[in-house]
Amino acid sequence: NAGVTQTPKFQVLKTGQSMTLQCAQDMNHEYMSWYRQDPGMGLRLIHYSVGAGITDQGEVPNGYNVSRSTTEDFPLRLLSAAPSQTSVYFCASSPTADRSLEKLFFGSGTQLSVL
Amino acid sequence: GENVEQHPSTLSVQEGDSAVIKCTYSDSASNYFPWYKQELGKRPQLIIDIRSNVGEKKDQRIAVTLNKTAKHFSLHITETQPEDSAVYFCAASYPFDSWGKLQFGAGTQVVVTP
Repeated sequence: NAGVTQTPKFQVLKTGQSMTLQCAQDMNHEYMSWYRQDPGMGLRLIHYSVGAGITDQGEVPNGYNVSRSTTEDFPLRLLSAAPSQTSVYFCASSPTADRSLEKLFFGSGTQLSVL
Repeated sequence: GENVEQHPSTLSVQEGDSAVIKCTYSDSASNYFPWYKQELGKRPQLIIDIRSNVGEKKDQRIAVTLNKTAKHFSLHITETQPEDSAVYFCAASYPFDSWGKLQFGAGTQVVVTP
């Protein structure tokens, strides 16, 4: 099992550009989520999904879109990148039975810079 | 929603000494409290956790205590070693629909000096 795979690892964008951060898991987890990590602010939830076809907003959803067409994939889209979206992004998944998110598996992260 | 405060933001300890990180939470419905360790450039990894029906849990040199009445929980690291240097995050999971939601603290940078 590869676990949670994120691509790319690093990305530099210009303001206004769009891009998609990819996240895939091969553990058949129902729950998948995206967090952003900023210095002094911990990990903040952007969007999450509890199954294919189901997505919901987290704490900081503005400027980001998600979709969940399959159990395995949960891409995060930035439609028009802004400098405020410079951050490290983590995808995380959790097994079906883990409703308290006790076994949250994180990807390796994407460092995004928006100039 | 839940609000988790974590203190201190940075902690410098001598190798062999103990380190304590404290977190408070606001939602009395929160029922699960994990601690994650993040080494430089790496992903967060779960190191220890505690459920609301338990007051203390130990795993070798690390322990977590929970005071539900006061709504705070703490991470204790004894006999610190250089490899304990990392950022530590506390979190609280509160019920939301049929799933939980994790609210993370801001993190504590721990530096262990030889």
